[in-house]
Amino acid sequence: DVVMTQSPLSLPVTLGQPASISCRSSQSLVFSDGYTYLHWFQQRPGQSPRRLIYKVSNRDSGVPDRFSGSGSGTDFTLKISRVEAEDVGVYYCMQGTHWPPITFGQGTRLEIK
Amino acid sequence: EVQLVESGGGLVQPGGSLRLSCAASGFTFSTSDMNWVRQAPGKGLEWISNISPSGSSIYYADSVKGRFTISRDNARNSLYLQMNSLRDEDTAVYYCVRSNWCANWGQGTLVTVSS
Repeated sequence: DVVMTQSPLSLPVTLGQPASISCRSSQSLVFSDGYTYLHWFQQRPGQSPRRLIYKVSNRDSGVPDRFSGSGSGTDFTLKISRVEAEDVGVYYCMQGTHWPPITFGQGTRLEIK
Repeated sequence: EVQLVESGGGLVQPGGSLRLSCAASGFTFSTSDMNWVRQAPGKGLEWISNISPSGSSIYYADSVKGRFTISRDNARNSLYLQMNSLRDEDTAVYYCVRSNWCANWGQGTLVTVSS
């Protein structure tokens, strides 16, 4: 199974400042079709997860443009350009290249400093 | 608007059974892969099962293989999870999730396994 490792696991950020979350996979996530099935999710307190980014860098509808995804191969990053109060929650990366099983990172808890 | 509404959760004793349902709307259910993903209290996300649009291909996580059965009824736009031989460690919120890219999630239904 592909292991997804996120860092940091806890991320205190000042409002208006940038934030960055790293996600590393135990093997390359490039599929035979050339696409990379690495996605990012946000889970606000008391809510279901919501997908923010699909296939590394594509923002889902309604996701603010302060969220961006990048990376390739085994190293990926989710960046928030200016953190707002509504961004508090847990962020997960997920790979769908080598499945089953679909695997998630451990989660990164973002809080306001 | 995509809607996924889970039901069927509750308190069950170890060794017991439960059947979860997910009512889907707002998209073409019969052409979508569907998944169940669970989250134990205070823990991360764990994928547990996938079913192809026709139901001909099914996959399970090792943690539930042989105990859980996923199924679907495309005429009713519904997804199911039959859970047997439940264990304490199956206690979690169970989410119905659309597509292998996990595009949309339901609100979840809580399953508590306890004596």
